[in-house]
Amino acid sequence: GENVEQHPSTLSVQEGDSAVIKCTYSDSASNYFPWYKQELGKGPQLIIDIRSNVGEKKDQRIAVTLNKTAKHFSLHITETQPEDSAVYFCAAESGYALNFGKGTSLLVTP
Amino acid sequence: DAGITQSPRHKVTETGTPVTLRCHQTENHRYMYWYRQDPGHGLRLIHYSYGVKDTDKGEVSDGYSVSRSKTEDFLLTLESATSSQTSVYFCAIRNTGGYSPLHFGNGTRLTVT
Repeated sequence: GENVEQHPSTLSVQEGDSAVIKCTYSDSASNYFPWYKQELGKGPQLIIDIRSNVGEKKDQRIAVTLNKTAKHFSLHITETQPEDSAVYFCAAESGYALNFGKGTSLLVTP
Repeated sequence: DAGITQSPRHKVTETGTPVTLRCHQTENHRYMYWYRQDPGHGLRLIHYSYGVKDTDKGEVSDGYSVSRSKTEDFLLTLESATSSQTSVYFCAIRNTGGYSPLHFGNGTRLTVT
């Protein structure tokens, strides 16, 4: 089945800096890659997604890039703010479901 | 939270007892999922449903069963709870079978003593 690797597991940045989280996947048939943000005590919330026919997608301070040949995709957060502190998960589509990475705990310090 | 209600939100039970978790949606979405979340493991798929009475196993389905008799409800049952099933359980829904996100509920924290 699909295997999704996510790095780093923890990331600490200063407010205003950029943060990058990287994921790799194993199933070349995967065509859909969402990113989720999870705050304490809540379920994961979708923040951005990308389909395989697109190499990059941007939404304000958040962008995702996809390299299908290398089977990796990345989340970029610019001008980080303390409210960006959370756990972030990447995922890759596998059949009718999504397989998730193990998460990155992002801490943005003022 | 996309019209998803999980119940109960917290439960403590003893080893060997049966437990049923409920997921209720108001979105009329066809696909429903149960994931568990554990430290160091991320989110792992237990079971999912692609329609009423249509279900399939995920990567960690041992010890769990599911049922879906109505579009809006998806039940997860632990027939005989074990300590290894202590976890946070998330229900998710999806409108289509692909190229679309899952929307998650706020989870059920289950502790098996």
